[in-house]
Amino acid sequence: AQSVTQLDSHVSVSEGTPVLLRCNYSSSYSPSLFWYVQHPNKGLQLLLKYTSAATLVKGINGFEAEFKKSETSFHLTKPSAHMSDAAEYFCVVTRPGTDKLIFGTGTRLQVFP
Amino acid sequence: EPEVTQTPSHQVTQMGQEVILRCVPISNHLYFYWYRQILGQKVEFLVSFYNNEISEKSEIFDDQFSVERPDGSNFTLKIRSTKLEDSAMYFCASRDRGNSPLHFGNGTRLTVT
Repeated sequence: AQSVTQLDSHVSVSEGTPVLLRCNYSSSYSPSLFWYVQHPNKGLQLLLKYTSAATLVKGINGFEAEFKKSETSFHLTKPSAHMSDAAEYFCVVTRPGTDKLIFGTGTRLQVFP
Repeated sequence: EPEVTQTPSHQVTQMGQEVILRCVPISNHLYFYWYRQILGQKVEFLVSFYNNEISEKSEIFDDQFSVERPDGSNFTLKIRSTKLEDSAMYFCASRDRGNSPLHFGNGTRLTVT
């Protein structure tokens, strides 16, 4: 079975400082992993995805994530937070042969001026 | 950029009533999905639809739920007799062929009273 655990329900950072949102996964298969972002009153937008190519994945808006099999982690990072990054972030896993996305519980990112 | 459109943004209905949630996927997409998020809980997969039939469904998607693509543009989710526990945000999503990512709509908040 597949699952993801987002280790922090809330993360607060100051504008211009680094962002780290943590995600650990569990999968019996080679997983595909994603990060989605949800801004208030908006839909879920894909930030980036990992599908067994390069372990360091670059996404939109300066975000990136590194797949670490030995640690079963897929943490999301950004060198410098912007006010517009304030949103809910979801780590998502799926496995080959299925369309079913398994979502984490989400991490709410707050960015202070 | 093309978007998945969901209407209405908020629907209030009484317990036992039928409700239809409407979605217009991106026009050249082939795969269609419904997900839901009960307040404070994870985003959960409900159903996937391809080539005019359900390709996968979760245990949540029981006989009270049905999906339809009545014409070339709309994709609907019907709940036959709503229960209080059906109150949630319902997200429609679509994608193109291959390993393309899902594009989500902004959601319909369903409140059952």
